[in-house]
Amino acid sequence: QKEVEQDPGPLSVPEGAIVSLNCTYSNSAFQYFMWYRQYSRKGPELLMYTYSSGNKEDGRFTAQVDKSSKYISLFIRDSQPSDSATYLCAMSGQGGSEKLVFGKGTKLTVNP
Amino acid sequence: DTGVSQDPRHKITKRGQNVTFRCDPISEHNRLYWYRQTLGQGPEFLTYFQNEAQLEKSRLLSDRFSAERPKGSFSTLEIQRTEQGDSAMYLCASRPQGFGNTIYFGEGSWLTVV
Repeated sequence: QKEVEQDPGPLSVPEGAIVSLNCTYSNSAFQYFMWYRQYSRKGPELLMYTYSSGNKEDGRFTAQVDKSSKYISLFIRDSQPSDSATYLCAMSGQGGSEKLVFGKGTKLTVNP
Repeated sequence: DTGVSQDPRHKITKRGQNVTFRCDPISEHNRLYWYRQTLGQGPEFLTYFQNEAQLEKSRLLSDRFSAERPKGSFSTLEIQRTEQGDSAMYLCASRPQGFGNTIYFGEGSWLTVV
């Protein structure tokens, strides 16, 4: 079992839809949880950062962490064609390591 | 542009040749990271520097790979005797001290080994 599991999709939605992306993980030592957005042939761009469990909202984006279920989610409201990208979950904090462990990424297309 | 800068952005090399990538982190970021990403996969950690000290290395970093950060500013990643399996995007990232574990990536350096 991989440390971080993420459905690669692809996921296709109409403009204005609510998008739900998620990851599961196996290592209970993870404390920091992040979502990155990556456009084709570009570096990942940090979207959301959460420490431990709870919710965090930033504009149209909401990140949720449920450590009891080892499950994290990213919700995108009022999705736009410019949101079309690959979304990567990442987590860290095991034993003081600086290493981020990433999911495979979910490819999202928002159709106008 | 004050982001993480990587050079070259694209490199095509023949199998067996050596290649070197350079990374200039965000100014005053004392922590610097190298990751590798292949198509359809998330980035995989290679190594981490705090200032000039290399503090963490992945098992992915075989003896053909070497990274340096001689003065605690820019970093280089060298791959010796390249193999086709080394074809990937090499990502550099940085963060300042005491800012959680969020890191900021550059645009990456694409390597194609033919």
